[in-house]
Amino acid sequence: EDQVTQSPEALRLQEGESSSLNCSYTVSGLRGLFWYRQDPGKGPEFLFTLYSAGEEKEKERLKATLTKKESFLHITAPKPEDSATYLCAVQAGAGGTSYGKLTFGQGTILTVHP
Amino acid sequence: EAGVTQSPTHLIKTRGQQATLRCSPISGHTSVYWYQQALGLGLQFLLWYDEGEERNRGNFPPRFSGRQFPNYSSELNVNALELEDSALYLCASSLIRRGPDTQYFGPGTRLTVL
Repeated sequence: EDQVTQSPEALRLQEGESSSLNCSYTVSGLRGLFWYRQDPGKGPEFLFTLYSAGEEKEKERLKATLTKKESFLHITAPKPEDSATYLCAVQAGAGGTSYGKLTFGQGTILTVHP
Repeated sequence: EAGVTQSPTHLIKTRGQQATLRCSPISGHTSVYWYQQALGLGLQFLLWYDEGEERNRGNFPPRFSGRQFPNYSSELNVNALELEDSALYLCASSLIRRGPDTQYFGPGTRLTVL
């Protein structure tokens, strides 16, 4: 069964204090790993797709990396508007019972204080 | 480009009633996914429709059902509502292709069962 574990559960940072969020996963044949941002009461907002170990993607203050067992979301010089829950999800390859669906971690609640 | 839309925004029902939730995918997307986000449980996969067919189903009872229409919009029906069905129901859409299928989420429908 596909599993995703995110750590820490919650992270409090001062504005400008860089840090990383971790996503550890087990999946039979990774088709893709996804990062989303979710604000309270809203739908997840897509951030990144990764599918190959060693791959990196950047967007503004965020950078996502992928290894064979985990992914990191690095936040450089965060601002208060970066406060949100960050979700990691994996998608397995075709042919199994997991086909098509995303398996999500519990998320990391990030709070950035001014 | 318009994103995924869902209606209604909020829905209040009583135990035993039926609820119908609707979703319109991003233009050009043929796949629609439904997820449940209950308090403290994270996002759980419910159903996947592609080209009008149900492709995969999560570990939910048969009273959770749906369909996809020829215009690729979708409907989720929940029969015999129970208190624990109270949750944010999220719809996502994607275009199936080789490689990872990035799913884009709508704003959700908040279902409250009294």
